[in-house]
Amino acid sequence: GENVEQHPSTLSVQEGDSAVIKCTYSDSASNYFPWYKQELGKGPQLIIDIRSNVGEKKDQRIAVTLNKTAKHFSLHITETQPEDSAVYFCAPPGGSQGNLIFGKGTKLSVKP
Amino acid sequence: NAGVTQTPKFRVLKTGQSMTLLCAQDMNHEYMYWYRQDPGMGLRLIHYSVGEGTTAKGEVPDGYNVSRLKKQNFLLGLESAAPSQTSVYFCASSRIASKTYEQYFGPGTRLTVT
Repeated sequence: GENVEQHPSTLSVQEGDSAVIKCTYSDSASNYFPWYKQELGKGPQLIIDIRSNVGEKKDQRIAVTLNKTAKHFSLHITETQPEDSAVYFCAPPGGSQGNLIFGKGTKLSVKP
Repeated sequence: NAGVTQTPKFRVLKTGQSMTLLCAQDMNHEYMYWYRQDPGMGLRLIHYSVGEGTTAKGEVPDGYNVSRLKKQNFLLGLESAAPSQTSVYFCASSRIASKTYEQYFGPGTRLTVT
């Protein structure tokens, strides 16, 4: 089956530091690369996504970079704030039906 | 505009009981999805629907049935609950008729099967 891996599984940073989460996928046909944020007790919410014709996309303090050759994409958060504390999921499409395949998540803790 | 709502928020079932989870969206979205989330497993797709009257199996469909009789509602049924179905269930919908666009998630239903 399709394989999606996220690293690290947990990440703790000091407020103001940067955080980077990496997602590796196996389906070379994937052409859409989203990141979702899930706060405690809530459903996931899309925070940024990128398509395969673009190498990098930035939205204020968050950015996503894509390396299709190596089959990985990364979420970058700069100037982290306590409200960035959450679980982050990558979810590239894959498989015969092309549904999103969620990684197992990265728990980010930002310490004030 | 309530977005995606799920009913109930919590439920405890005994093994062998049945129940239906209701998902409703008021955004006129075509695509709807049911996921389950277990600790350390991320979200796994149970069933999905690409339009009123259509349903399809996802990654983990066994033990579940679904129906999409109205465009705004997507029902998930458990005919005979098992402890392995203890999980948090999320419904999602997508505005664009494609699987590679933003999905809007509901708040979840926490189900415990004893």
